[in-house]
Amino acid sequence: SQTIHQWPATLVQPVGSPLSLECTVEGTSNPNLYWYRQAAGRGLQLLFYSVGIGQISSEVPQNLSASRPQDRQFILSSKKLLLSDSGFYLCAWSPLRTGLTRLVGEQYFGPGTRLTVT
Amino acid sequence: KQEVTQIPAALSVPEGENLVLNCSFTDSAIYNLQWFRQDPGKGLTSLLLIQSSQREQTSGRLNASLDKSSGRSTLYIAASQPGDSATYLCAVPNQAGTALIFGKGTTLSVSS
Repeated sequence: SQTIHQWPATLVQPVGSPLSLECTVEGTSNPNLYWYRQAAGRGLQLLFYSVGIGQISSEVPQNLSASRPQDRQFILSSKKLLLSDSGFYLCAWSPLRTGLTRLVGEQYFGPGTRLTVT
Repeated sequence: KQEVTQIPAALSVPEGENLVLNCSFTDSAIYNLQWFRQDPGKGLTSLLLIQSSQREQTSGRLNASLDKSSGRSTLYIAASQPGDSATYLCAVPNQAGTALIFGKGTTLSVSS
């Protein structure tokens, strides 16, 4: 069966410090991978998605970046955190779809990382 | 641009009551619609996925319906239990079919 891991579970960082959140998926190959942020009162916001190693698409301009160094590893980073980066960060995966249209299909989420920027 | 709205934002019911959560979307050209459950401080758990060709899906006490033409979906929970207390989110794929667009959720509280 497939599992998705995220770490750390919680993080408190000062403004201006760097960030690295990691997500790994087990039990599947060639997944689509996603980073979402959930801020209070704002719902889930897609930050990045990836359809393969080294292939990253950004949905929202910000001071965050993402990388996919391996097929089942997705990393969210920042060089300098802002107060507005606080939130609950969720990684997700879905089976890769091919063909004329890319269907997201069912999406599976990790346990999340609670980030507080002080 | 696709927008997803969920009403009500919060709902409190006594145990045993049947209830309906609503989800509406502005662009009816969707491939599927997914309902999730989120417990406080936790990730999302997929409950039901309805393909565009389907009108409903059932899993245990949960039944989700989809009416593409009117841009609506409902999640019906039968005989609610305190363990059903959570936030319920609905989501549809974006136009490119690359990721999901979520509603803000309905927070359900079931009292014993």
